[in-house]
Amino acid sequence: AQKITQTQPGMFVQEKEAVTLDCTYDTSDQSYGLFWYKQPSSGEMIFLIYQGSYDEQNATEGRYSLNFQKARKSANLVISASQLGDSAMYFCAMEGAGSYQLTFGKGTKLSVIP
Amino acid sequence: EAGVAQSPRYKIIEKRQSVAFWCNPISGHATLYWYQQILGQGPKLLIQFQNNGVVDDSQLPKDRFSAERLKGVDSTLKIQPAKLEDSAVYLCASSLDTGLAGAGAKNIQYFGAGTRLSVL
Repeated sequence: AQKITQTQPGMFVQEKEAVTLDCTYDTSDQSYGLFWYKQPSSGEMIFLIYQGSYDEQNATEGRYSLNFQKARKSANLVISASQLGDSAMYFCAMEGAGSYQLTFGKGTKLSVIP
Repeated sequence: EAGVAQSPRYKIIEKRQSVAFWCNPISGHATLYWYQQILGQGPKLLIQFQNNGVVDDSQLPKDRFSAERLKGVDSTLKIQPAKLEDSAVYLCASSLDTGLAGAGAKNIQYFGAGTRLSVL
């Protein structure tokens, strides 16, 4: 069984500062994918970034980067130069080798302060 | 490119009534998913279709929930009869079928805006 743990229910960050959202995972699969999604108050889940378990380099997508530490089973999301529009719920998710199913964490609510 | 379309956005019903949600995935996406997201939690998969066949419905409460994907395109999710604990956001997602899962597959799921259901 796969499990995603997000230990920060809520985070605050000053506008233009960087912030790290924590995610740890548990799986017995050797091959897996890790995802981060953003969910604004409007409700839709927006894909941000993907990391495959065999990728040697950390994934980056614009202001988003994923700090992947395989031995520690962590996949933290780093948002650089925070903007007011970054205020939202952020979910870490995992896809195992056996199916396309995503297992989600409980999420972290990020609030960007002007 | 149009995204995943869902309707209605909001629905309020009384317990024991029935309700249906509709989803139209991104054109060309073979795989369609329905998730239930209870307040304060992450989404939980209810059912996964590949084209018009069910891949996984192990977490679908089949005594009251049903789903279909006729012609391998749009899909409906039905609850009959609804219970108070069914109050949640129902999210539909779709993805291209890369034929792989896990590392390297990058099966990105694209989500609709969801239907917020309140059962009174």
